[in-house]
Amino acid sequence: SQTIHQWPATLVQPVGSPLSLECTVEGTSNPNLYWYRQAAGRGLQLLFYSVGIGQISSEVPQNLSASRPQDRQFILSSKKLLLSDSGFYLCAWSVRTSALTDTQYFGPGTRLTVL
Amino acid sequence: AQKITQTQPGMFVQEKEAVTLDCTYDTSDPSYGLFWYKQPSSGEMIFLIYQGSYDQQNATEGRYSLNFQKARKSANLVISASQLGDSAMYFCAMREKPNTGKLIFGQGTTLQVKP
Repeated sequence: SQTIHQWPATLVQPVGSPLSLECTVEGTSNPNLYWYRQAAGRGLQLLFYSVGIGQISSEVPQNLSASRPQDRQFILSSKKLLLSDSGFYLCAWSVRTSALTDTQYFGPGTRLTVL
Repeated sequence: AQKITQTQPGMFVQEKEAVTLDCTYDTSDPSYGLFWYKQPSSGEMIFLIYQGSYDQQNATEGRYSLNFQKARKSANLVISASQLGDSAMYFCAMREKPNTGKLIFGQGTTLQVKP
């Protein structure tokens, strides 16, 4: 069966510090990968998605970036964190198809607090 | 632009009773998919149920069913025989276009089940 991991689970970082969040998927190959951010009590906002190694699409202009160095690894980064970067970051994967039924499965999330 | 609206910020239901969570959507695309996710306090997003725009019957998964009214553009989630463990935030989501795999989420409804 497929599993998705995210780490760290929680993170407290000062403003201006760098960020690296990691997401890995097991039990599947060539997945689509996604990064979402959720502000407190709000819905999810798609940040990045990837359909393959080195292929990243950005949805929202910001000081965050994403990379996919390996097929089942997705990394979210920042060179200098802002207060507004605080939130709950969720990684998701889906089978690489174009079917409407393609379901996204989410990881446990990383709770980031920028002080 | 495609949009998902969940108008109920919070709902209460008595244990063992049924509850309906509302979701309306807006799209000009005749082909779309609708998803419901559950987010307990731990934060992980759990996939519950899917409804395709061309599906002739309402989707059902155990205690979850979808009241799909295409003409009204609504896809309400019905939870039967509520349990205390159903207390969580519930999100409705729509696949934007089949070839990108991106989901658009509503703002969510918080459900509290009373003993």
